[in-house]
Amino acid sequence: DQQVKQNSPSLSVQEGRISILNCDYTNSMFDYFLWYKKYPAEGPTFLISISSIKDKNEDGRFTVFLNKSAKHLSLHIVPSQPGDSAVYFCAAPTGNQFYFGTGTSLTVIP
Amino acid sequence: NAGVTQTPKFRVLKTGQSMTLLCAQDMNHEYMYWYRQDPGMGLRLIHYSVGEGTTAKGEVPDGYNVSRLKKQNFLLGLESAAPSQTSVYFCASTPRGRGTDTQYFGPGTRLTVL
Repeated sequence: DQQVKQNSPSLSVQEGRISILNCDYTNSMFDYFLWYKKYPAEGPTFLISISSIKDKNEDGRFTVFLNKSAKHLSLHIVPSQPGDSAVYFCAAPTGNQFYFGTGTSLTVIP
Repeated sequence: NAGVTQTPKFRVLKTGQSMTLLCAQDMNHEYMYWYRQDPGMGLRLIHYSVGEGTTAKGEVPDGYNVSRLKKQNFLLGLESAAPSQTSVYFCASTPRGRGTDTQYFGPGTRLTVL
């Protein structure tokens, strides 16, 4: 049972435009969410996080929005750059474990 | 600091063979994790450890064993490899394992079981 879902396996965006990556979750006990970025042949690296007491967190070009009633979060990248091309995972911790989504592969076209 | 390192980077096994994957971290982190990544499945937790000498099962532990004899090392063993264990394996660590802690990942081990 997938507790964290990313329903879009891939996304292509023109350089300079906005990229929006979506993530849904089913467990209402989740109170913290993270986004990780992964390049080919490398491990994931932390990108940005958000606590459930907030509905938005911003870090430079990256903003994460949380809609608790819809159990939905999204990552916005503005403006998108070719170096942002990677696989993005959303994740949620509970207890000692982390649950990851299946990932969205973002391609930013120059 | 090297961060989290994994050995080996690639390995090909025949069905029934055994092997051990080594994860090492030099950040003095308490918690360590082993994940596998499969197409369309994301990252799934195999086993984790909350400290030296302790281990616990994650989401998909069957067919794997782990040991944490030293704080800096976390070993993942396959006693009798099966083709279903073909995957990319990632090790990660966190300072204390709190939900707000960032996980630091190794570069991965690509395992193929024929």
